[in-house]
Amino acid sequence: AQSVAQPEDQVKVAEGNPLTVKCTYSVSGNPYLFWYVQYPNRGLQFLLKYITGDNLVKGSYGFEAEFNKSQTSFHLKKPSALVSDSALYFCAVRDGNTDKLIFGTGTRLQVFP
Amino acid sequence: EPEVTQTPSHQVTQMGQEVILRCVPISNHLYFYWYRQILGQKVEFLVSFYNNEISEKSEIFDDQFSVERPDGSNFTLKIRSTKLEDSAMYFCASIRTWGTEAFFGQGTRLTVV
Repeated sequence: AQSVAQPEDQVKVAEGNPLTVKCTYSVSGNPYLFWYVQYPNRGLQFLLKYITGDNLVKGSYGFEAEFNKSQTSFHLKKPSALVSDSALYFCAVRDGNTDKLIFGTGTRLQVFP
Repeated sequence: EPEVTQTPSHQVTQMGQEVILRCVPISNHLYFYWYRQILGQKVEFLVSFYNNEISEKSEIFDDQFSVERPDGSNFTLKIRSTKLEDSAMYFCASIRTWGTEAFFGQGTRLTVV
């Protein structure tokens, strides 16, 4: 069965510093990997995805993520954090055998001035 | 930009009552989903719907839940007899084709009293 782990409930980083939000996954076949962001009282907004191809994928708002097959990871990164990046971030995975997304437990990112 | 629309934004209902949550997915999308999120925590898969039938459902989606796409545009989630533990934010999502990213609505906050 597919699963996603986000080992950190919270990540705090100073504005201007690089940020990383971690995600590891488990699927039976080739993974389809996604990152979503949720602002307070809002829905989930798509940030980026990995389906195939380059291991480094770029997404919205300057975010990127690196797919690492050997470590089964898909960490979200941004070179320079903004206070406005503060939100709840979810990693999600779908394997090739199902059409449902399975979400991690979420990581709350706090960027302080 | 096309978006998934959900109504109502907030629904308060008495325990034991039936509720219907409504969604209008993006018009050229083919796969439809309901997810729920309790207290801003984990996003849980409920059900997926494709080609006018349920393609997959979770253990949460028991006999009290049903989904319909009555007119080719609306996609509804019905809870027949609500329980206190059904209180959550319910998100509708749709995807265009297999493997593409899901677009989420803003959610319906269901409060069962």
